[in-house]
Amino acid sequence: EDQVTQSPEALRLQEGESSSLNCSYTVSGLRGLFWYRQDPGKGPEFLFTLYSAGEEKEKERLKATLTKKESFLHITAPKPEDSATYLCAVLEAAGNKLTFGGGTRVLVKP
Amino acid sequence: NAGVMQNPRHLVRRRGQEARLRCSPMKGHSHVYWYRQLPEEGLKFMVYLQKENIIDESGMPKERFSAEFPKEGPSILRIQQVVRGDSAAYFCASSPPGLAAPGEQFFGPGTRLTVL
Repeated sequence: EDQVTQSPEALRLQEGESSSLNCSYTVSGLRGLFWYRQDPGKGPEFLFTLYSAGEEKEKERLKATLTKKESFLHITAPKPEDSATYLCAVLEAAGNKLTFGGGTRVLVKP
Repeated sequence: NAGVMQNPRHLVRRRGQEARLRCSPMKGHSHVYWYRQLPEEGLKFMVYLQKENIIDESGMPKERFSAEFPKEGPSILRIQQVVRGDSAAYFCASSPPGLAAPGEQFFGPGTRLTVL
């Protein structure tokens, strides 16, 4: 069975303090790895798709990377508006369902 | 370009009643997915539908839950005889046809179901 584990569960940062979130996965053939941001009371907002090891994607202060076993979401010089829960999900070789990790709650204090 | 729409946003039911949750996918999207997020838990896949077809319902509870995506109109997730354990946020996601971006799913705002 596919497994996705995110760490840490929660992260408190000072504004400007860069950090990384980890997503490790065990799947029988990875078709894609996805990062989402979820604000309280809202649906997940799509951020990135990574399809192969070595791939990187960037968007503003966020950068996602992928290896054969894990993905990292780097937050550079975060601002309070980056506070959210960041979700990682994988798409296995067969099928179309996403398997999500438990998420990392990020709080950026001014 | 409207995103995925879900209604109602909040739904309160008493034990034993029926709950109907609706989802309209993004324009041009023909694939719909339902996920459930229990309090303090992650998102769990329930069902994947295309127009008039259930493709994968491996995450659906065997009893009381059903889903449809008719030729016309929104997708419906139906929960019969609700119990307190059904209280959760239910999210719908949609994706376009084809394989250009496999797995890229766009989520709606969710329906928060509370069972009294």
